[in-house]
Amino acid sequence: GEDVEQSLFLSVREGDSSVINCTYTDSSSTYLYWYKQEPGAGLQLLTYIFSNMDMKQDQRLTVLLNKKDKHLSLRIADTQTGDSAIYFCADSGAGSYQLTFGKGTKLSVIP
Amino acid sequence: NAGVMQNPRHLVRRRGQEARLRCSPMKGHSHVYWYRQLPEEGLKFMVYLQKENIIDESGMPKERFSAEFPKEGPSILRIQQVVRGDSAAYFCASSGGAPGLFFGSGTQLSVL
Repeated sequence: GEDVEQSLFLSVREGDSSVINCTYTDSSSTYLYWYKQEPGAGLQLLTYIFSNMDMKQDQRLTVLLNKKDKHLSLRIADTQTGDSAIYFCADSGAGSYQLTFGKGTKLSVIP
Repeated sequence: NAGVMQNPRHLVRRRGQEARLRCSPMKGHSHVYWYRQLPEEGLKFMVYLQKENIIDESGMPKERFSAEFPKEGPSILRIQQVVRGDSAAYFCASSGGAPGLFFGSGTQLSVL
């Protein structure tokens, strides 16, 4: 089946940039998503990118997509302690609702 | 709060009992999805419903699990004769046409 892989942990200092990486296998993906999950909470949609784009910027967030290598990254500029959470990468496949999620990257921000 | 509402937040059941999880989609959304999250795993798709219709249940176990989204009222995910392996966080999501699913806070099911 289709797969999404992420590294499990990332630790950064407050004020630095964080880069969370993701690889996926489904070449038919239409959209790729980043979700944020804080402890005890649901998933919050942070941003998404359409598969024919290679970059999308939204305030402190920058998404880069390398479709050839099936590599997606999320850069968080000026990382704050409030950014500490688990970040999930997900791809939509050819459809739009059956998302395949990675296992999540736990971001720890050191004050 | 116009977000996706799930209840209960926590549900404890003994083996063999039934679990009922409820979900009300965001206002204006008519598509509901259920996902399951096992410990230290990503979310796995279970079922996609529209009002009174199951569109795709390919991710749902064939036995003991059922889902509905009636014309009136919330969507219900029902697990009969629960077993310990059903312990997980169950998330409901809704969409209204724009890209992306909007998730509720989840129901943590614990089976004793």
